Amino acid sequence: GAVVSQHPSWVICKSGTSVKIECRSLDFQATTMFWYRQFPKQSLMLMATSNEGSKATYEQGVEKDKFLINHASLTLSTLTVTSAHPEDSSFYICSARWRGRAGNTGELFFGEGSRLTVL
Amino acid sequence: KNQVEQSPQSLIILEGKNCTLQCNYTVSPFSNLRWYKQDTGRGPVSLTIMTFSENTKSNGRYTATLDADTKQSSLHITASQLSDSASYICVVSAVFDYKLSFGAGTTVTVRA
Repeated sequence: GAVVSQHPSWVICKSGTSVKIECRSLDFQATTMFWYRQFPKQSLMLMATSNEGSKATYEQGVEKDKFLINHASLTLSTLTVTSAHPEDSSFYICSARWRGRAGNTGELFFGEGSRLTVL
Repeated sequence: KNQVEQSPQSLIILEGKNCTLQCNYTVSPFSNLRWYKQDTGRGPVSLTIMTFSENTKSNGRYTATLDADTKQSSLHITASQLSDSASYICVVSAVFDYKLSFGAGTTVTVRA
């Protein structure tokens, strides 16, 4: 089956540094990728939608200058948390929609998530 | 206001027993409804996806139902196993809308 890979699966960094998380669709082309963050015992919160070759669309309240998203190809999207602070510590998950089907009934595959801890 | 409401928030069941999770939504116009299983510290994994015309869909011991008229869905777990302990998330899509509406999830704990 389709697989979405995230890297790294966990990262610990110092406050003020930047962290990049990669999301790859391994065996299908994804026109759209989504980035979420999830706090303990809470549901996924959509941060932004990333379309290949265009600027990401951010949800209200998400700082685009802090969470940089790049979708350079149909199989890769990256999320960069710039100048990370302890409050940015969270579980970040990406998902990719399979291009093979029209409309939004296409299957949606999630990555395994990336645990970010900012000290 | 969240357009997808799940209940119960959490439940504990004994191994081998059945349980049913509920999902009510107000997303409109409705396109499809998905159930995902999310193990702690992992990404969600798809269980079922149903469109307007589908009333029930099974995936092993998981059976999802959909009533598009009442805008309700349920996920039934049969003969629960310890590995079923996870959070189950209901996700609803609207027609012509790339966004998804997520429920808060139901945390299921299966005990021996």
